[in-house]
Amino acid sequence: QKEVEQDPGPLSVPEGAIVSLNCTYSNSAFQYFMWYRQYSRKGPELLMYTYSSGNKEDGRFTAQVDKSSKYISLFIRDSQPSDSATYLCAMILDSNYQLIWGAGTKLIIKP
Amino acid sequence: GAGVSQSPSNKVTEKGKDVELRCDPISGHTALYWYRQSLGQGLEFLIYFQGNSAPDKSGLPSDRFSAERTGGSVSTLTIQRTQQEDSAVYLCASSLTLADTQYFGPGTRLTVL
Repeated sequence: QKEVEQDPGPLSVPEGAIVSLNCTYSNSAFQYFMWYRQYSRKGPELLMYTYSSGNKEDGRFTAQVDKSSKYISLFIRDSQPSDSATYLCAMILDSNYQLIWGAGTKLIIKP
Repeated sequence: GAGVSQSPSNKVTEKGKDVELRCDPISGHTALYWYRQSLGQGLEFLIYFQGNSAPDKSGLPSDRFSAERTGGSVSTLTIQRTQQEDSAVYLCASSLTLADTQYFGPGTRLTVL
């Protein structure tokens, strides 16, 4: 079993829809949780960063961490075609700085 | 300012040949990381450098892989006697320190025939 599980998709939704992307993990010691966005033929870029449990909102994006269920989510409101990309979750133990990555979910927003 | 740059952007090589991949981090960033991304897979950590400390090589998949960072700046990842399973995108990232946000380069797409 992988430490971080993420459905690779693709997930195809119409423009304007609310998108929900998720990851589950097995190591309860993870403390920092991140979402990266990766456009085709580009490197990942950090989208959201959350420490421990709770919600964090930034514009149309909301990151949610449920440590009791070992489950993290990224919600995108009013989705746009420009949001079409692969979204990767990543997490770090408190004791070191090595990022552990999900496989990424390919998201397609249809105009 | 300039971001992380990597060269070449694409590399096609024959099985058994050696390849060198280059990474130019953001100026002033003390931490530098190498990752490998295979099709449909997440990023696989290979190695990181932090300042003048010994690098963390725990992710290197075999002794055919090595990396160095000269003068605390540019880094080179070398793969000796390449195999077809080495085909992947090799990503480099840098951060101000280990605890800071990692900024990624565009990657080098390696194809081993």
